[in-house]
Amino acid sequence: GAVVSQHPSRVICKSGTSVKIECRSLDFQATTMFWYRQFPKQSLMLMATSNEGSKATYEQGVEKDKFLINHASLTLSTLTVTSAHPEDSSFYICSARGGRNTQYFGPGTRLTVL
Amino acid sequence: QQQVKQSPQSLIVQKGGISIINCAYENTAFDYFPWYQQFPGKGPALLIAIRPDVSEKKEGRFTISFNKSAKQFSLHIMDSQPGDSATYFCAASKSGGSNYKLTFGKGTLLTVNP
Repeated sequence: GAVVSQHPSRVICKSGTSVKIECRSLDFQATTMFWYRQFPKQSLMLMATSNEGSKATYEQGVEKDKFLINHASLTLSTLTVTSAHPEDSSFYICSARGGRNTQYFGPGTRLTVL
Repeated sequence: QQQVKQSPQSLIVQKGGISIINCAYENTAFDYFPWYQQFPGKGPALLIAIRPDVSEKKEGRFTISFNKSAKQFSLHIMDSQPGDSATYFCAASKSGGSNYKLTFGKGTLLTVNP
């Protein structure tokens, strides 16, 4: 149980285009999902908290107009990187909150912006 | 301000040995302390977690020791195997406010030599 999927696993796009990443909780409902960014050999950096049916809460320094988050259902949250640039290239990981504090992570999405 | 300090940054252990990773936290409101295991190119996987009402929790070869007065907790991996080679992250969160956000340590790269 407690499986979280992400799609796509890898994406390569041209600078200036937008990319959408999906995060799904497959066997449980998640009122709260989180989006992280991870650079090589570094820890996870929380970007935003996504609550079903309401606006996402962004961490300080994260541009909400660049990283659009939608949590339309209890099993799906999406992150759209708008007008992507090479500096947005990174490993993006979502997590879904299960019971109480427990977070289950997706497998991650490797974004490369050319 | 880093709220969860993790050490060592890297660790090399021989097969069959004990791996020990330590974390210290500052926020006394934290009440959930998970450990995550991450392999290269993958999302973190929940390994084991503890709450402050117990001082130790064991699951198979993995044990968390928790010292509330010292605000420290550690992960012990008994009979370490080459397949345990991965990056390990400790984390902490508090129930309720801020949607149970996790605060991560910087990670420990564990290498288990055959």
